[in-house]
Amino acid sequence: GAGVSQSPSNKVTEKGKDVELRCDPISGHTALYWYRQSLGQGLEFLIYFQGNSAPDKSGLPSDRFSAERTGGSVSTLTIQRTQQEDSAVYLCASSRMGGSAGVPNEQFFGPGTRLTVL
Amino acid sequence: AQKVTQAQTEISVVEKEDVTLDCVYETRDTTYYLFWYKQPPSGELVFLIRRNSFDEQNEISGRYSWNFQKSTSSFNFTITASQVVDSAVYFCALKGISGYSTLTFGKGTMLLVSP
Repeated sequence: GAGVSQSPSNKVTEKGKDVELRCDPISGHTALYWYRQSLGQGLEFLIYFQGNSAPDKSGLPSDRFSAERTGGSVSTLTIQRTQQEDSAVYLCASSRMGGSAGVPNEQFFGPGTRLTVL
Repeated sequence: AQKVTQAQTEISVVEKEDVTLDCVYETRDTTYYLFWYKQPPSGELVFLIRRNSFDEQNEISGRYSWNFQKSTSSFNFTITASQVVDSAVYFCALKGISGYSTLTFGKGTMLLVSP
């Protein structure tokens, strides 16, 4: 079956412009995650969606970042007024609902969107 | 608070050598889960293993093995007889049972295996 897909694969934008990054999770996965990977850094958690629950936005670095998930499937991460420090690879992951309370299932990652802000 | 430390930024080995990637974690949870992911040059993270804090048995999968030591809060990963295809960035990650809803990742160790 299809894995997690992300578009675009690469995005170059000018400082101050808004960008939208898209994630299509694996069908049937109720959990969706956005991470940011800067050069030489680990994965920085941004936001987490689980079913119809309110998203966990605790990782968003500023109010310029927002995300939504429509119909419990596709998600869009929006960065407004981009800055050069926003340049990074943005990774999306999805997973099934845990079988037992609290047991985290394996997260399946997409190929990422490489964002470059000039 | 949760924290994962991968002290080795980069490791270079020659094919067929054994190599161990270190991972040390911190968590206040008594129940937690540890993961290893591989990120090859293509960029897509690949899940390797998940262990829970109650299971300290070491695990072996082919050339891969994992050593979980609760006493030292470590979850090290060993590749036996390394191959060029093992070249990748390897991430260790942690999720506690409470609080934070997703994984905390270490900064990764880049493994370069030369022929």
